[in-house]
Amino acid sequence: DTAVSQTPKYLVTQMGNDKSIKCEQNLGHDTMYWYKQDSKKFLKIMFSYNNKELIINETVPNRFSPKSPDKAHLNLHINSLELGDSAVYFCASSHLTQEKNTEAFFGQGTRLTVV
Amino acid sequence: LAKTTQPISMDSYEGQEVNITCSHNNIATNDYITWYQQFPSQGPRFIIQGYKTKVTNEVASLFIPADRKSSTLSLPRVSLSDTAVYYCLVGSGGYNKLIFGAGTRLAVHP
Repeated sequence: DTAVSQTPKYLVTQMGNDKSIKCEQNLGHDTMYWYKQDSKKFLKIMFSYNNKELIINETVPNRFSPKSPDKAHLNLHINSLELGDSAVYFCASSHLTQEKNTEAFFGQGTRLTVV
Repeated sequence: LAKTTQPISMDSYEGQEVNITCSHNNIATNDYITWYQQFPSQGPRFIIQGYKTKVTNEVASLFIPADRKSSTLSLPRVSLSDTAVYYCLVGSGGYNKLIFGAGTRLAVHP
């Protein structure tokens, strides 16, 4: 069984469209994340939810809206897609502790191409 | 959050030991050092984590000197499948906000 699964794996769409990426984890973790990896391969955190509550919200355009219906799911909706949104989006999950960074499990990624 | 500096790329040959050093001069007392590995077209994967001295698991060893201002990831007897990008991260608990730098692109040659 895949620990963190994202759908779709590939997404090609036109500018101006609205699209969603879904993520599910079956590890029983309490925290989920969205990361963006651009063409230069830099991996940057976008959002994080802990027990369905938003805890990290980096400087991301308002066109990006995460939604966490339950602890096992974190979806990413993107409105009015732009060329610059083309990237690979990774979902991840982990437990939170106060002591140290805990092991995060990443999905396979969704390669979004905006044309 | 402490910033990390790693070599951009390294080359090695199958069967060799590879050591990747990461500098983190501003590491805080509560920070741990964590390494992730990323293969092409895959998400990062946790390799090893340590606070001080030496940590070893089935994949790698992590050496941390007493001042903790640097750390070295050691991969014994690499194979072609170890070709990947290796990221050094430094941080403590809380929101588990993992800050990835540019990483080190390791190429293993036959």
